Amino acid sequence: EVQLVQSGAQVKKPGESLKISCKGSGYSFTNYWIAWVRQMPGKGLEWMGIMYPADSDIRYSPSFQGQVTISADKSISTAYLQWSSLRASDTAMYYCARQPGGGGFYFGGVDVWGQGTMVTVSS
Amino acid sequence: DIVMTQSPDSLAVSLGERATINCKSSQSVLYSSNNKNYLAWYQQKPGQPPKLLIYWASTRESGVPDRFSGSGSGTDFTLTISSLQAEDVAVYYCQQYYSTPSVYGFGPGTKLEIK
Repeated sequence: EVQLVQSGAQVKKPGESLKISCKGSGYSFTNYWIAWVRQMPGKGLEWMGIMYPADSDIRYSPSFQGQVTISADKSISTAYLQWSSLRASDTAMYYCARQPGGGGFYFGGVDVWGQGTMVTVSS
Repeated sequence: DIVMTQSPDSLAVSLGERATINCKSSQSVLYSSNNKNYLAWYQQKPGQPPKLLIYWASTRESGVPDRFSGSGSGTDFTLTISSLQAEDVAVYYCQQYYSTPSVYGFGPGTKLEIK
């Protein structure tokens, strides 16, 4: 079974750092894009960025460039999203998701989603 | 950035009736070299991650009921549910993957309810 399993919910204080994870299984992890999507409480979906693990091609949405870091460890089929200094406005559900593609292109919609990681930032 | 918009914001339809949701992109998402529209539709139910319904604007994802269909080309697209079922109550999003999406890569969503 193809799945993406995300790390558990986090409660942090403003200014703290955080790294959440997304482990892929049941498919060739390096040959699909992994995207990160934010959903603030009661709001819509926001594209944060995307990475192709095979060649470490990472593309950030301009709104999130410099605010988060996307990375992956191919050896354990795991992608990461990290913050160096959280803000209350980072409180949201974060989804990782798989998108077919290669050669710098996308070959279809986001077909597999993780269960989401809820991040709460509060003093 | 390609900006996606949707209409209406919300929609109430009777069971068994047709539901139509529109999506518009600020520039064409039709790639001329392969004549494909880089547009997908998703369904999100409360407390769940989104689910892919349609990609390439009109190709139904495996396992998606055939009452869901997508149409359109270039900048204007439509998701149609031919006969609304109770389990179709959800928020529906369109998304372009023609270019690396910005925060506006998804449409704002359309909330579908039963009348």
